Amino acid sequence: GESVGLHLPTLSVQEGDNSIINCAYSNSASDYFIWYKQESGKGPQFIIDIRSNMDKRQGQRVTVLLNKTVKHLSLQIAATQPGDSAVYFCAENMNSGYALNFGKGTSLLVTP
Amino acid sequence: DAGVTQSPTHLIKTRGQQVTLRCSPKSGHDTVSWYQQALGQGPQFIFQYYEEEERQRGNFPDRFSGHQFPNYSSELNVNALLLGDSALYLCASSPGQGHSPLHFGNGTRLTVT
Repeated sequence: GESVGLHLPTLSVQEGDNSIINCAYSNSASDYFIWYKQESGKGPQFIIDIRSNMDKRQGQRVTVLLNKTVKHLSLQIAATQPGDSAVYFCAENMNSGYALNFGKGTSLLVTP
Repeated sequence: DAGVTQSPTHLIKTRGQQVTLRCSPKSGHDTVSWYQQALGQGPQFIFQYYEEEERQRGNFPDRFSGHQFPNYSSELNVNALLLGDSALYLCASSPGQGHSPLHFGNGTRLTVT
């Protein structure tokens, strides 16, 4: 079946470097994508979202890129900080439904 | 402005028992969704409630049921608990219409022994 997946389960970066977390999706009907950050013992926290009629959206230190041609989504974090260490999930939503379909997550570890 | 609140935070039950988890949505939100998150996995959609009705359901058995009250709060009930039901149960709220980010609570950690 169609699903959302992540390329890398873990990512280790040095403090101050930029981080890129990738996500592949296979459902061509998806029209809304969202990134969440989940710290240990907490629920997922909204980072940024993007609709399928856009290919780039920027927030504070974060940028989401959407490539519908290859069905790829990425999250870029600028000047990564120790507080960015967490598990990051991408999720997709189809126009006909209300459910978010989550990937398995990428663990980001920021080292000093 | 309180976010999504869930109770209890932790719960231990025995196989075969029944459990009720509770959720209060973020102020101004009228839609509540429930997700199950197994250890090391992404959240899996259970169902969503809007206007006190189940609007969409994921691939979960009938042992999982829910309710939404007029004040938009919600309950998740699980009957005949199995060991495999051990997970973090997350409640999320959002405004009712259109695509908008879900706001999650910190979940209820359910352990079935």
